[in-house]
Amino acid sequence: GQNIDQPTEMTATEGAIVQINCTYQTSGFNGLFWYQQHAGEAPTFLSYNVLDGLEEKGRFSSFLSRSKGYSYLLLKELQMKDSASYLCAAVSNYQLIWGAGTKLIIKP
Amino acid sequence: EAQVTQNPRYLITVTGKKLTVTCSQNMNHEYMSWYRQDPGLGLRQIYYSMNVEVTDKGDVPEGYKVSRKEKRNFPLILESPSPNQTSLYFCASSQGAGYGYTFGSGTRLTVV
Repeated sequence: GQNIDQPTEMTATEGAIVQINCTYQTSGFNGLFWYQQHAGEAPTFLSYNVLDGLEEKGRFSSFLSRSKGYSYLLLKELQMKDSASYLCAAVSNYQLIWGAGTKLIIKP
Repeated sequence: EAQVTQNPRYLITVTGKKLTVTCSQNMNHEYMSWYRQDPGLGLRQIYYSMNVEVTDKGDVPEGYKVSRKEKRNFPLILESPSPNQTSLYFCASSQGAGYGYTFGSGTRLTVV
């Protein structure tokens, strides 16, 4: 079957670095998205990886290993506004398969 | 501004009273989709549409209907809402099924 796993909740300190992991088992894999979602709001696009390796975009980076079925989102210099849920979604046979999301709590 | 517009943002209704949630996009996207989001369950796809007059069931289609008569609009219809359809609903569109989505602002529906 198709499956995406990510931790339910993580806590980090303002100014620190946090890594949110996502593992997937899907058929016809063709890339992985990360979205940010603040409570009660719509998800917004953060990154898309289709090739192995690290993609850096400001304070956020995303990594993909297709052979291991693994991705992570790295957030640096954490700010209070980064408190949100982070959703990973795998492209499988031209559909998006969503993880349940990781709620990130930032403490001062 | 490129966007997906959903209405209403909030809706409280009674069991059995038909309702429609509208969704419109101005990006000429072919692919549109409806999701519901419930605590701990993430986004679950209700219906999707690959193009005009082409719609298909997602993971949780029971109790919902959709139509795609024109490219920009993709309304979600609840013919006889029940309390288990209380949820946060999102409409989304993209260039194609495997591309990133642009989401609408969401509709918080409560059925009493």
